[in-house]
Amino acid sequence: GNSVTQMEGPVTLSEEAFLTINCTYTATGYPSLFWYVQYPGEGLQLLLKATKADDKGSNKGFEATYRKETTSFHLEKGSVQVSDSAVYFCALSVSNTGNQFYFGTGTSLTVIP
Amino acid sequence: DAGVIQSPRHEVTEMGQEVTLRCKPISGHDYLFWYRQTMMRGLELLIYFNNNVPIDDSGMPEDRFSAKMPNASFSTLKIQPSEPRDSAVYFCASSTRAGPFLVGYTFGSGTRLTVV
Repeated sequence: GNSVTQMEGPVTLSEEAFLTINCTYTATGYPSLFWYVQYPGEGLQLLLKATKADDKGSNKGFEATYRKETTSFHLEKGSVQVSDSAVYFCALSVSNTGNQFYFGTGTSLTVIP
Repeated sequence: DAGVIQSPRHEVTEMGQEVTLRCKPISGHDYLFWYRQTMMRGLELLIYFNNNVPIDDSGMPEDRFSAKMPNASFSTLKIQPSEPRDSAVYFCASSTRAGPFLVGYTFGSGTRLTVV
């Protein structure tokens, strides 16, 4: 079936540290991949996306590359800030199969000064 | 575009009372989703609609929960009677389809429900 497996949290980093949050997926059709971010007290917001193999999505210093060979879409940022503290969700949309996004369980990130 | 609009933002009610949550999707979006988020179970899809028709309600926890979409610009999620274990944040999201893919999947700000 279609599913997303996401790195367990919580993750705590010091400001300016490097961030990686792992995400792998299984899909019965052709996938598009997304990262959503949820700040405290808010809804999920689209952070970045990639719609075909080897595409790199990027936004606000975050990047993720759609790797078909490893079925992965890991989120990275070179230097995190306190304002990046949030919960990050990896999500999958599959062509022609299903009418929903499949979300990972979310990874909580706390950045300390 | 104002995005997906949910009301109320917060709701506190007593056990046994009826609760109605409301959602206005983005204009032109023909898919609408209701989610529940808790610390224990994370983000759960409750039900979704396509063109105002419920397509999959397998995530609705029990008969106390019901959802309607009377028109393209409005949906409700009702809990009757409410119980303390229904306390959660309820999100509405809307989307449309571009070719084979869902696009523009956008969440509202959520309704934080507390049942005491």
